[in-house]
Amino acid sequence: KAGVTQTPRYLIKTRGQQVTLSCSPISGHRSVSWYQQTPGQGLQFLFEYFSETQRNKGNFPGRFSGRQFSNSRSEMNVSTLELGDSALYLCASSPLSSGASYEQYFGPGTRLTVT
Amino acid sequence: GESVGLHLPTLSVQEGDNSIINCAYSNSASDYFIWYKQESGKGPQFIIDIRSNMDKRQGQRVTVLLNKTVKHLSLQIAATQPGDSAVYFCAENAPYGGATNKLIFGTGTLLAVQP
Repeated sequence: KAGVTQTPRYLIKTRGQQVTLSCSPISGHRSVSWYQQTPGQGLQFLFEYFSETQRNKGNFPGRFSGRQFSNSRSEMNVSTLELGDSALYLCASSPLSSGASYEQYFGPGTRLTVT
Repeated sequence: GESVGLHLPTLSVQEGDNSIINCAYSNSASDYFIWYKQESGKGPQFIIDIRSNMDKRQGQRVTVLLNKTVKHLSLQIAATQPGDSAVYFCAENAPYGGATNKLIFGTGTLLAVQP
């Protein structure tokens, strides 16, 4: 079974631009979560999607948004990029449907550099 | 301003020895815990999980111990190998009024295996 895939793997953008990152979960997984990893803040939760609905959101400004499609693929968007948005953006999928939490499997991440 | 990178605690062990990585979690309501391994340039890799109704779980060469009284997790790796060298993260998942996947990560521990 193929793992979580993320595209692109590397991205360089300029301050003020916007960016869209894509994530394809493991087949059959309906929950997709996004995390930001930086040397200063570590791994931080951005948001989670399930059945095309955002179910949970972390403490990030409204410039960070996401969506999920009917095939469970997800995208996240960052508008008006700032230097501090430079990070590894990780997507994780989970077989969670309802009830208790389940393991999350991470993709390789998208390395975003803002100049 | 300049961000300061997280200072990762480092555990240095000899090949063949057992390793114990510790983690303190923050939320007494957390009911699910996961250990991840992250190698340079890769996304976190699932190692083992444990639910709050258990205090010990074993996998292949790994054991996770949970002490809810003091909110402490540990990961034991038997017969540590050079391939185990990586950063290890613990993560907790607290229920927020229903099923959710919102992992809160610890700062990580760098495991360095000396041949």
